[in-house]
Amino acid sequence: EADIYQTPRYLVIGTGKKITLECSQTMGHDKMYWYQQDPGMELHLIHYSYGVNSTEKGDLSSESTVSRIRTEHFPLTLESARPSHTSQYLCASSAAGVLYNEQFFGPGTRLTVL
Amino acid sequence: QKEVEQDPGPLSVPEGAIVSLNCTYSNSAFQYFMWYRQYSRKGPELLMYTYSSGNKEDGRFTAQVDKSSKYISLFIRDSQPSDSATYLCAMSAGGSYIPTFGRGTSLIVHP
Repeated sequence: EADIYQTPRYLVIGTGKKITLECSQTMGHDKMYWYQQDPGMELHLIHYSYGVNSTEKGDLSSESTVSRIRTEHFPLTLESARPSHTSQYLCASSAAGVLYNEQFFGPGTRLTVL
Repeated sequence: QKEVEQDPGPLSVPEGAIVSLNCTYSNSAFQYFMWYRQYSRKGPELLMYTYSSGNKEDGRFTAQVDKSSKYISLFIRDSQPSDSATYLCAMSAGGSYIPTFGRGTSLIVHP
């Protein structure tokens, strides 16, 4: 079954730690995205990629970085986590050529930085 | 002014009620209007999409777009407790444009 996976689902870490949030999809989608979601707030786009070796920053200023070495894999890295990074991170993918750009979301990673 | 405005609620209704969820927007370039449903501890999932103005019906759900007023709605008939979720509107100019999401409305349908 085609799907999109995120690991870990929950993460509690201390300030200053380096972390990588994993995202993989089995749908062969060229486009992938990372969003930040806080309760009652809009989904904020932090990074996106339209294909291998292509990455762009989104609307929300972020101290994270991403890479896209394989089509199916789009990890997000925080070099030095801070309490302000506490949030829910959603990964999504979409197929090229779909006019309304339907996004398929993973279950999210809830990050808490102490 | 935000591009997409959506009241976060929560909206609490009894089972069987008709629910109306709404969003307003400011960008005239938006052509595709979508509603996503997000259950607790899950990612959003596309419920319906509409192109330009008009209505679209899918079972108990009806999506309505009024481009002249820059206003979209999602109606849920005969609401069920299983409809309890957060509903996010999203809009796009189409093509390679990434959708802009509203903040979501939390809906609670109590038995």
